[in-house]
Amino acid sequence: QVQLQESGPGLVKPSQTLSLTCTVSGGSISSGSYYWNWMRQPAGKGLEWIGRIYTSGSTNYNPSLKSRVTISVDTSKNQFSLKLSSVTAADTAVYYCARWVYHGMDVWGQGTTVTVSS
Amino acid sequence: DIQMTQSPSSLSASVGDRVTITCQASQDITNYLNWYQQRPGKPPKLLIYDASNLETGVPSRFSGSGSGTDFTFTISSLQPEDIATYYCQHYDNLPLTFGGGTKVEIK
Repeated sequence: QVQLQESGPGLVKPSQTLSLTCTVSGGSISSGSYYWNWMRQPAGKGLEWIGRIYTSGSTNYNPSLKSRVTISVDTSKNQFSLKLSSVTAADTAVYYCARWVYHGMDVWGQGTTVTVSS
Repeated sequence: DIQMTQSPSSLSASVGDRVTITCQASQDITNYLNWYQQRPGKPPKLLIYDASNLETGVPSRFSGSGSGTDFTFTISSLQPEDIATYYCQHYDNLPLTFGGGTKVEIK
């Protein structure tokens, strides 16, 4: 079955760009009608949807982060990526990637912790 | 953005108890409402979609109901493995938003 795995630096300096990758295994990122999503969760807090990319490459972002977020896909590597610019301590969180089928997010990565600190 | 308000924020119940969580949307979302379970240190898991449909493989003690702005999630007989935080999430439009979560503990 399809599995997702996040990867990237666990520590990012303030004002720099956070870059994470989600690797899809067990299936092709290009097959089917799926949205590939990024969420985040600060320690002890709730979930925030960051944005998504469709298999065609079209994107949607949370307006609260839109000016700083870029989500892209690399079908040759079966990966999709998140870039969040100008980070501050408020961006410290566990970041999750997830697949959206027509009714919900049915496959999630295990999450990766990103700390923003100098 | 549509605001999702969950209550209670936490609850404690005994094994075998019936547990009910409510979720209220700030506007009509028809039945575009999901429920997720998040065990400590784990990613969320989809339990209920379209307000009342059980995801494949999810035990039947979990159920959901509601439409419009008011929704309910129920565990008919609480089990030790149900210790988790439960989140509602709408998908009526973008941005997708989640409720604040309900932490369920065993008494």
